[in-house]
Amino acid sequence: QVQLQQSGPGLVKPSETLSLTCAVSGYSINNGYYWAWIRQPPGKGLEWIGAIYQSVRTYYNPSLKSRVTISIDASKNEFSLKLSSVTAADTAVYWCARHLYVVDTWGQGTLVTVSS
Amino acid sequence: QSALTQPASVSGSPGQSITISCTGTRSDIGFYDFVSWYQQHPGKAPKLMLYDVGKRPSGISNRFSGSKSGDTASLTISGLQAEDEADYYCSSYTSSSTWVFGGGTKLTVL
Repeated sequence: QVQLQQSGPGLVKPSETLSLTCAVSGYSINNGYYWAWIRQPPGKGLEWIGAIYQSVRTYYNPSLKSRVTISIDASKNEFSLKLSSVTAADTAVYWCARHLYVVDTWGQGTLVTVSS
Repeated sequence: QSALTQPASVSGSPGQSITISCTGTRSDIGFYDFVSWYQQHPGKAPKLMLYDVGKRPSGISNRFSGSKSGDTASLTISGLQAEDEADYYCSSYTSSSTWVFGGGTKLTVL
């Protein structure tokens, strides 16, 4: 059974870079599937941030594309999110996820607060 | 890309049926049948309820059904139960090889 375990800080200062990592167990990350990040600001809806496929193909939400980098470390079977120049508007629960055309596995979620 | 459009809230009494709409564009819902619906209870991760417009994952009640017409998809829940009270989100693959969610609909069971 595939499991996703997220790690990373819950507090980031404005203008800095948010970094989160998602460790994958029970499945080889380069065997297919998109590995994605999704976020949800408090009291608001879901927003797809982006995804990576087979370590080299990345897809980003156009509204975040200039600030987002998603990468894979196949040796550790994990993938990461970096979101630069954060503001209070980036405060949200961030989930890592596995999907093809639907999300079938979610991480546990990480509340990231942007505050000085 | 703009979020898919859903009503902010819907409500119904136990035993009744409700329908939640999800409107997109020719570049997402109107282009593909890769429409899915998620249920989210407070503080929990979303749970997949329907995929490919109207297919149910294993374990999902047949009280949940889906359809699509043009740029609009719909989720219907029949025989409403108290446990159905939650937020519901639609999602679609897009012609830009990205995914987009709806703004979410809060279902209240009266």
